[in-house]
Amino acid sequence: DTAVSQTPKYLVTQMGNDKSIKCEQNLGHDTMYWYKQDSKKFLKIMFSYNNKELIINETVPNRFSPKSPDKAHLNLHINSLELGDSAVYFCASSQDLNSPLHFGNGTRLTVT
Amino acid sequence: KNEVEQSPQNLTAQEGEFITINCSYSVGISALHWLQQHPGGGIVSLFMLSSGKKKHGRLIATINIQEKHSSLHITASHPRDSAVYICAVPGASGSRLTFGEGTQLTVNP
Repeated sequence: DTAVSQTPKYLVTQMGNDKSIKCEQNLGHDTMYWYKQDSKKFLKIMFSYNNKELIINETVPNRFSPKSPDKAHLNLHINSLELGDSAVYFCASSQDLNSPLHFGNGTRLTVT
Repeated sequence: KNEVEQSPQNLTAQEGEFITINCSYSVGISALHWLQQHPGGGIVSLFMLSSGKKKHGRLIATINIQEKHSSLHITASHPRDSAVYICAVPGASGSRLTFGEGTQLTVNP
């Protein structure tokens, strides 16, 4: 009965590869997010979708492409992975932009 | 952009002590979030408040909108409270949460 689940939990890959991280929420929330947490534990918004529509798109390289097939899913695809992409990526959801956030457990991406 | 500053960055306490973590922000907001990140990495939303005070168990969050300041208090602290505590505020448009750098709390038995 996990509220926000993301997979995989760990992802180790080589530079130049393409990888995806999946996220699903069963809370019935309208808004979903991707956050990046760097090595200094600093969280930063990457994308936000509301009802499958992109509403926040921070300054993120074009190699990162979110996809929301329905409002319960928000996947993150990363092309041509670089060393600097190594971080923990958190998916989250909320009823709307002014409601509490519910986070997934994070995906630790390591690019070698 | 709404700048967020937390203090202290690191805090070590003995079990039972009263803990206070502070958060200041630069732009007027509708609400402020307090989050907790455990050593295992998971992030939990503790509070979302727009005025006054909220209490949940041993945790109390207060906010002063005029002074653009919020505090998170932990009463009778316990080693299981050891975690990173993060405050976050929305940007001027109400979206794009900006996060503080977090306060690493360690409570020793």
